[in-house]
Amino acid sequence: KAGVTQTPRYLIKTRGQQVTLSCSPISGHRSVSWYQQTPGQGLQFLFEYFSETQRNKGNFPGRFSGRQFSNSRSEMNVSTLELGDSALYLCASSWNPADTQYFGPGTRLTVL
Amino acid sequence: EDQVTQSPEALRLQEGESSSLNCSYTVSGLRGLFWYRQDPGKGPEFLFTLYSAGEEKEKERLKATLTKKESFLHITAPKPEDSATYLCAVQANEYNFNKFYFGSGTKLNVKP
Repeated sequence: KAGVTQTPRYLIKTRGQQVTLSCSPISGHRSVSWYQQTPGQGLQFLFEYFSETQRNKGNFPGRFSGRQFSNSRSEMNVSTLELGDSALYLCASSWNPADTQYFGPGTRLTVL
Repeated sequence: EDQVTQSPEALRLQEGESSSLNCSYTVSGLRGLFWYRQDPGKGPEFLFTLYSAGEEKEKERLKATLTKKESFLHITAPKPEDSATYLCAVQANEYNFNKFYFGSGTKLNVKP
């Protein structure tokens, strides 16, 4: 069974640009969560989607947004990139919001 | 306030030297406690889920235990390939939403 896949794996952008990251969950999983991981802050929750609806949102500015499609695939978008947005962005999927989360390999975003 | 605290931040062991990692939590309405292993530049890999005090789970050289306020990950006779960052996460029910809180991790280095 294929795991969670994330694309692209690496991304380099400049300040002010926007970026879209993609996540394909494990087959059958309907819940997708996004996290930002940095050396100083650890894993921080961005948002959670279930059945195309955002159920939960972390304490991030409105520049961070996401959506989920009918096939459970999810995208997150960051607009007006800042240097501090450089991080590993992780997607995790689960059968439902109460279940164990399984993580993808992450997208390494570098903002110059 | 910190919901999940892991200690120590870093741990160096000789191959074969057993030890324990600690995860203490302050959330109410605990639904589950999760242990993950993360290698550099990769996404966290699921290890265990614990749901109630007194529960124990084992996998190869790893054993996870849970009390009402903390969890331990015991590593018996570790090998160099056990070197990784071990993350603890708790799932809490807040206002009928499930929220995950991650600790900052324990970086384990096992020397041959």
